[in-house]
Amino acid sequence: SQQGEEDPQALSIQEGENATMNCSYKTSINNLQWYRQNSGRGLVHLILIRSNEREKHSGRLRVTLDTSKKSSSLLITASRAADTASYFCAITSGGSNYKLTFGKGTLLTVNP
Amino acid sequence: SQTIHQWPATLVQPVGSPLSLECTVEGTSNPNLYWYRQAAGRGLQLLFYSVGIGQISSEVPQNLSASRPQDRQFILSSKKLLLSDSGFYLCAWTPRLETQYFGPGTRLLVL
Repeated sequence: SQQGEEDPQALSIQEGENATMNCSYKTSINNLQWYRQNSGRGLVHLILIRSNEREKHSGRLRVTLDTSKKSSSLLITASRAADTASYFCAITSGGSNYKLTFGKGTLLTVNP
Repeated sequence: SQTIHQWPATLVQPVGSPLSLECTVEGTSNPNLYWYRQAAGRGLQLLFYSVGIGQISSEVPQNLSASRPQDRQFILSSKKLLLSDSGFYLCAWTPRLETQYFGPGTRLLVL
């Protein structure tokens, strides 16, 4: 399966701490994206990193990509209670840039 | 700006009844459109995608079908619902084939 797999499945931290989530995949990718989903809502795109990139930043988010290990990590710095959500990685691969394959997600709980 | 709508927001249907979920996108033209299903506590499963009017690709064999009667309208249907069809259905669109923008979702409970 080309599916991305997030690790851990659930993460609970205190406000102000950093949160790190990991994603592993099994095939060569075109790009890898991270999405966020608040409970009962649609997904919101956070950041996209291409296969030839190693690191990207967006505000308090930092994403790294290691294609040799087929893995990516999402770091949220100085977490806030409002960051509580599920976080999903999604990949595109082969000739299918228009199809995303999602992992099962990491549920992040930030305690105030 | 572009917006995506889904309705209804919540639906409770008996087994064997028909289904019609609608998704519309505003503020763009010729988008790629997608239907996903999300089981409780799980990731997203791609059900159908469309690159144009009348063009539907199915990813998973099931008793669901999709149609795209207009450029910015995507409909998910079933003639007879099963218990296993319960879930959270998400519609998404993309203008440039990479980042996808999701609607608010429809929660379907089949009893």
